[in-house]
Amino acid sequence: GQNIDQPTEMTATEGAIVQINCTYQTSGFNGLFWYQQHAGEAPTFLSYNVLDGLEEKGRFSSFLSRSKGYSYLLLKELQMKDSASYLCAVRDLYNFNKFYFGSGTKLNVKP
Amino acid sequence: GAVVSQHPSWVICKSGTSVKIECRSLDFQATTMFWYRQFPKQSLMLMATSNEGSKATYEQGVEKDKFLINHASLTLSTLTVTSAHPEDSSFYICSARGLAMGETQYFGPGTRLLVL
Repeated sequence: GQNIDQPTEMTATEGAIVQINCTYQTSGFNGLFWYQQHAGEAPTFLSYNVLDGLEEKGRFSSFLSRSKGYSYLLLKELQMKDSASYLCAVRDLYNFNKFYFGSGTKLNVKP
Repeated sequence: GAVVSQHPSWVICKSGTSVKIECRSLDFQATTMFWYRQFPKQSLMLMATSNEGSKATYEQGVEKDKFLINHASLTLSTLTVTSAHPEDSSFYICSARGLAMGETQYFGPGTRLLVL
């Protein structure tokens, strides 16, 4: 089976740095994705990791360790608009169209 | 680029009626489209995957006769919820992948369905 775990909710302060973790146990792995979803809206793509290491994109960075089944999304210089749910998704090795989503981490950014 | 639209954005209907939701890729050809359902405070649940011109592949537990999916062209897929019941009330989101569009799927804005 597929198991993807994320913390349910986190709170951080505007201007700070926050790290959202994701651990996965899947029968196959072909990439890990992070999406941002504001309440009542559809998810938007943030990052993609398929090799170990850190991918940086502006204020957002994503890290992957395949041997540990672990990823994190790092958000720097938090802004109020970063308050949203962050979804971790793993793509199946044998079916490139199959994505397994975690339950999402709701991030609350406070002034 | 990579814009996906959905119509309608929200719909209220009576129990027993059918509702059709359209999903369009506006600026790319979507070889594969996905339909998800999301209940409040829960993550996305994949309902089905469809490739243009072929029958959709439904996830376990999703009734194919109740949720009819048609992927008639490379830019359009439709989901019809037949004989809708209150328990079908949910947020339905489509997404699409296309050749040369990268690894991710691009999501539409979602359709909120309320069945009375």
